[in-house]
Amino acid sequence: RKEVEQDPGPFNVPEGATVAFNCTYSNSASQSFFWYRQDCRKEPKLLMSVYSSGNEDGRFTAQLNRASQYISLLIRDSKLSDSATYLCVVSGDYKLSFGAGTTVTVRA
Amino acid sequence: SAVISQKPSRDICQRGTSLTIQCQVDSQVTMMFWYRQQPGQSLTLIATANQGSEATYESGFVIDKFPISRPNLTFSTLTVSNMSPEDSSIYLCSGGQSFYEQYFGPGTRLTVT
Repeated sequence: RKEVEQDPGPFNVPEGATVAFNCTYSNSASQSFFWYRQDCRKEPKLLMSVYSSGNEDGRFTAQLNRASQYISLLIRDSKLSDSATYLCVVSGDYKLSFGAGTTVTVRA
Repeated sequence: SAVISQKPSRDICQRGTSLTIQCQVDSQVTMMFWYRQQPGQSLTLIATANQGSEATYESGFVIDKFPISRPNLTFSTLTVSNMSPEDSSIYLCSGGQSFYEQYFGPGTRLTVT
């Protein structure tokens, strides 16, 4: 079983729509959780950390469910510039484990 | 934050040869890591580069194949030795003050023919 699993998508949505997707993780001892964004042929960049109580950063909302071991990301009012691959990242054993990513394409 | 550069950005190499990738950070960082990412797949951690000591390798990666150096807190190298086509991938360096705060370099796109 992979440490972090994500729906690869792609999620194709029109501008202004809301899109949401999840990832699941296998290590119940994981302590820190993140969403990274990776544009085509670019390096991953931290989008936001995910806190137990859930948190927002502008149009982005992240939720953590420790009991079910899943993390979600919701993007409101999608922009063309939100088109990217979103990587779910989980910490454990002094390293980060990355999901394969969920691809989101926002169309005009 | 940290700004990370890698050299070369890409290379095409013949099987059986070796390539050394350089990673430079614009400030001192405690942690540096090397990853591999194949198209459509997740980042796979190769090793943690330890300053002044041997790197810590993940399962499936060995020092003879991927020797790593880290002479100081701003620089590291990864060598891909005795390359085969299966080593074709993107190799990424990251660095930060802790393992959960990582900034990535732009990657080195390696093709082995």
